[in-house]
Amino acid sequence: GQQVMQIPQYQHVQEGEDFTTYCNSSTTLSNIQWYKQRPGGHPVFLIQLVKSGEVKKQKRLTFQFGEAKKNSSLHITATQTTDVGTYFCAGSGGSNYKLTFGKGTLLTVNP
Amino acid sequence: NAGVTQTPKFRVLKTGQSMTLLCAQDMNHEYMYWYRQDPGMGLRLIHYSVGEGTTAKGEVPDGYNVSRLKKQNFLLGLESAAPSQTSVYFCASRKGQGAGGANVLTFGAGSRLTVL
Repeated sequence: GQQVMQIPQYQHVQEGEDFTTYCNSSTTLSNIQWYKQRPGGHPVFLIQLVKSGEVKKQKRLTFQFGEAKKNSSLHITATQTTDVGTYFCAGSGGSNYKLTFGKGTLLTVNP
Repeated sequence: NAGVTQTPKFRVLKTGQSMTLLCAQDMNHEYMYWYRQDPGMGLRLIHYSVGEGTTAKGEVPDGYNVSRLKKQNFLLGLESAAPSQTSVYFCASRKGQGAGGANVLTFGAGSRLTVL
């Protein structure tokens, strides 16, 4: 079945440093979504990428979808303590009924 | 709009007991999902439904059953709870398929289940 790998599993940064998490799928995806889960909370949708090579920005967050639609990344510039949480990528393949989630990257920020 | 509501939020069970987790959504979404979240394992799909009266297995369905008798409700049942089912359970829903936000998941707040 479809597998979505996400690295790193953990990342600890000093406030102001940049952060990147990477997502890799075993199969070509029709779209990829990113979610953020604050400690003790539930996953909340951030963004969806659909097109090959697509790049989208949300303030300090930059999301990319690879040309082959098999990988994606989330980059945060100049992290803040409010960025703390687990970031998940989730890919949708042929059937489109289900999203397969990566295991997530837990980001902690030292003020 | 309440969005996706899960009950109960917390529950402690003894091995062998049964229970049902209720998920209710008020967004008229077609698709509903049950995930479990364990440390280091991410979100794993247990069962899902693409419409009232339909259910399908996800990647970790063993030990669980589901029902979707009404469009707005998706029930997750544990017939004979085991310690391995200690987890945080999330329900999610989405409008359906297609362009825009139709396939974006809205999650409930979670239900923390402990099986002793």
